[in-house]
Amino acid sequence: GENVEQHPSTLSVQEGDSAVIKCTYSDSASNYFPWYKQELGKGPQLIIDIRSNVGEKKDQRIAVTLNKTAKHFSLHITETQPEDSAVYFCAASLSNQFYFGTGTSLTVIP
Amino acid sequence: ETGVTQSPTHLIKTRGQQVTLRCSSQSGHNTVSWYQQALGQGPQFIFQYYREEENGRGNFPPRFSGLQFPNYSSELNVNALELDDSALYLCASSFGTLYTQYFGPGTRLTVL
Repeated sequence: GENVEQHPSTLSVQEGDSAVIKCTYSDSASNYFPWYKQELGKGPQLIIDIRSNVGEKKDQRIAVTLNKTAKHFSLHITETQPEDSAVYFCAASLSNQFYFGTGTSLTVIP
Repeated sequence: ETGVTQSPTHLIKTRGQQVTLRCSSQSGHNTVSWYQQALGQGPQFIFQYYREEENGRGNFPPRFSGLQFPNYSSELNVNALELDDSALYLCASSFGTLYTQYFGPGTRLTVL
């Protein structure tokens, strides 16, 4: 199966700064990479995704980059706000299964 | 358009009991996937149902079973509950097996 590693496990940034979370995957056949935000007591919420035929995708303050050769993908959040504080999960899709990273707890300090 | 809903929100069971969790998929979605999320961990894939048939299974024992109904809602059944089954159980729906999955709020199961 697929193995997804995610770093860092915790991240603190000042409001307005950028945050970067990185993930690696093991199986080159994985072809879809979503990012989810999970707030306390809630289910994961999709924030952005990218498919293997695309290198970069941006949605307002959030962007994702994918390097298929190196088998890693990253989430970039610019101009962070306190409401961005949450746990973020990356995932890789292989066949019909999603494999999740272990999560990054992001704290944005006002 | 309604999102993914799950019931119940919380559940407490004792070891050895059986439990049924329910999920209503998002309108227009025909695929439901179930995940187990232990505290501080990422979701782990249990299985997926597509048009009422199981369409893939993760590394979970047979005492984890499921069902999908003609309206695409789904149930997760766990028999002979163990303490390690305590977790947040998430379902996610999608339109087809290769499309974006949208998660429900989860059911928090505690096994005593």
